[in-house]
Amino acid sequence: QKEVEQNSGPLSVPEGAIASLNCTYSDRVSQSFFWYRQYSGKSPELIMSIYSNGDKEDGRFTAQLNKASQYVSLLIRDSQPSDSATYLCAVKVRGSTLGRLYFGRGTQLTVWP
Amino acid sequence: GAVVSQHPSRVICKSGTSVKIECRSLDFQATTMFWYRQFPKKSLMLMATSNEGSKATYEQGVEKDKFLINHASLTLSTLTVTSAHPEDSSFYICSARAAGRDGMAEQFFGPGTRLTVL
Repeated sequence: QKEVEQNSGPLSVPEGAIASLNCTYSDRVSQSFFWYRQYSGKSPELIMSIYSNGDKEDGRFTAQLNKASQYVSLLIRDSQPSDSATYLCAVKVRGSTLGRLYFGRGTQLTVWP
Repeated sequence: GAVVSQHPSRVICKSGTSVKIECRSLDFQATTMFWYRQFPKKSLMLMATSNEGSKATYEQGVEKDKFLINHASLTLSTLTVTSAHPEDSSFYICSARAAGRDGMAEQFFGPGTRLTVL
């Protein structure tokens, strides 16, 4: 069983703060890691992918991966109300059938003005 | 780049009818497409994985005769909900896998199709 765990939240932060979203996974041979953002009533949108240990930055987003501890996190700096959404963590396991992803249940983020 | 379209975006149909949903990768070739469904405030549930030119692989508990998947080309996959019933009402979302650097394939989602069966 490939498990991807996320705190369902809701996580509430004030505008301008740093939002920290965490994800842990159970399968040690996990290979690729993704963060998706899903607005209510919409489909998921890929915002970050990370494959190697360490940090990866893209604008206000930073993904952090620690394979030894089996966690991946997403930091959102200078949070804006428009960042309010559900954030899904997804993991691709090495050798998984046709590259399927295993999703967490998502963390609901609310950024209040 | 990496745009996936879905059609229709919304459909309302009577119980017993069949509904076809198309998923297209517009600016890349998708070796694999995935079909998900999502109930309100619930997580994504993978229904099936389809590879161009071969039979789809269905997840446990998903009826292959009820949810017909055809992946006719590297840019088009279709999901047909046969003899739809109210319990099939859901948000259906496709995704397409694009080969990224070093073979680390990313999935891009279509906008989804909201199906309501009366």
